[in-house]
Amino acid sequence: SQQGEEDPQALSIQEGENATMNCSYKTSINNLQWYRQNSGRGLVHLILIRSNEREKHSGRLRVTLDTSKKSSSLLITASRAADTASYFCATVARTSYDKVIFGPGTSLSVIP
Amino acid sequence: GAGVSQSPSNKVTEKGKDVELRCDPISGHTALYWYRQSLGQGLEFLIYFQGNSAPDKSGLPSDRFSAERTGGSVSTLTIQRTQQEDSAVYLCASSLSRVRNEQFFGPGTRLTVL
Repeated sequence: SQQGEEDPQALSIQEGENATMNCSYKTSINNLQWYRQNSGRGLVHLILIRSNEREKHSGRLRVTLDTSKKSSSLLITASRAADTASYFCATVARTSYDKVIFGPGTSLSVIP
Repeated sequence: GAGVSQSPSNKVTEKGKDVELRCDPISGHTALYWYRQSLGQGLEFLIYFQGNSAPDKSGLPSDRFSAERTGGSVSTLTIQRTQQEDSAVYLCASSLSRVRNEQFFGPGTRLTVL
């Protein structure tokens, strides 16, 4: 299966700290995406990184991709209580060109 | 513009009944996905439509599940003879194209089978 696997399953940090979540996958990909899900806003796309990119930034988010290790990380800097949510990585495999498959997610709790 | 909409938002049904869930994607988006999410779990891929191509039905859990997409726009997910294990939130998402595949999600339909 190409499905990504996030690590850790759950993470609890204090407000202001950085949060790092990891995603591993099994097959070659076209791109990898990160999504956030919270009860108020549903599932929202955060950032997409293509297979030929190594790092990408968006505001307080930093995503890295290591295709040799088939892994990605999402770093949220200076976390806020509003960052409390589940975070999912999703992969688009080269062989199934544009079918997006989600991992099981990381549950992040940011304590004020 | 309008986002992805789904109806109904909540559906309670009795075991054995059929249900239809509707998804209206963003206008112009060629790709449409259905996912299922049980409480506290990740997203389970069900079916994927891309333009006029044959849908990828590889995620449908049984032949009680089917979906269609009319005119490349609205999609209906049908579950026949519902079972209690079908209870979940059913999410629909659309994306612009095969290349621009960032997904925009609807709010979901919460299905409860009694």
